[in-house]
Amino acid sequence: ILNVEQSPQSLHVQEGDSTNFTCSFPSSNFYALHWYRWETAKSPEALFVMTLNGDEKKKGRISATLNTKEGYSYLYIKGSQPEDSATYLCAPDCTYSGAGSYQLTFGKGTKLSVIP
Amino acid sequence: DAGITQSPRYKITETGRQVTLMCHQTWSHSYMFWYRQDLGHGLRLIYYSAAADITDKGEVPDGYVVSRSKTENFPLTLESATRSQTSVYFCASSVTGGNSPLHFGNGTRLTVT
Repeated sequence: ILNVEQSPQSLHVQEGDSTNFTCSFPSSNFYALHWYRWETAKSPEALFVMTLNGDEKKKGRISATLNTKEGYSYLYIKGSQPEDSATYLCAPDCTYSGAGSYQLTFGKGTKLSVIP
Repeated sequence: DAGITQSPRYKITETGRQVTLMCHQTWSHSYMFWYRQDLGHGLRLIYYSAAADITDKGEVPDGYVVSRSKTENFPLTLESATRSQTSVYFCASSVTGGNSPLHFGNGTRLTVT
């Protein structure tokens, strides 16, 4: 069972603030890293799938970076809005060397609350 | 375009009963997955399937059975439900697996009394 850590567990920010959170995972056997956004009473929705060291992905005001050598990824939200309130999950696939295992290990998530 | 649907949305059953949770996707995705979500844990993989008639265990498979006779369906059966299986169950599908995103169903909240 992989150790996937997300920090912080939760945070509250004011509308308009920018914020970021971290996902740490084992650096060995890395294949891919997924980020999902999970709103209350809904199902998780994919934000990014990242595979290459140094990868940066962007979707609107949300962006993510990936460091596979040290085993971490950052998710950034610029100018947070109330509709960004959700739990953000990361899930690495790093079970088998050189190949995807299709077995994502989800972190417990970072719960973001944006205060209007 | 219905996407991926789970049924039922809510289910209450008694200890020892067999219960089947249904999952149907309309995208013809190769991969399908069952996860459970419990307080204090991240989503945990129960079983997954790479194609029709191909299934494999995930992190927490004990007490569950799956089948995949058709690409679009991936039912999850609890052969003899226990209280520890009270959880929210999510089905998901993806095009290729590890480096393509998961598409989740709306979940089934199961309570075992």
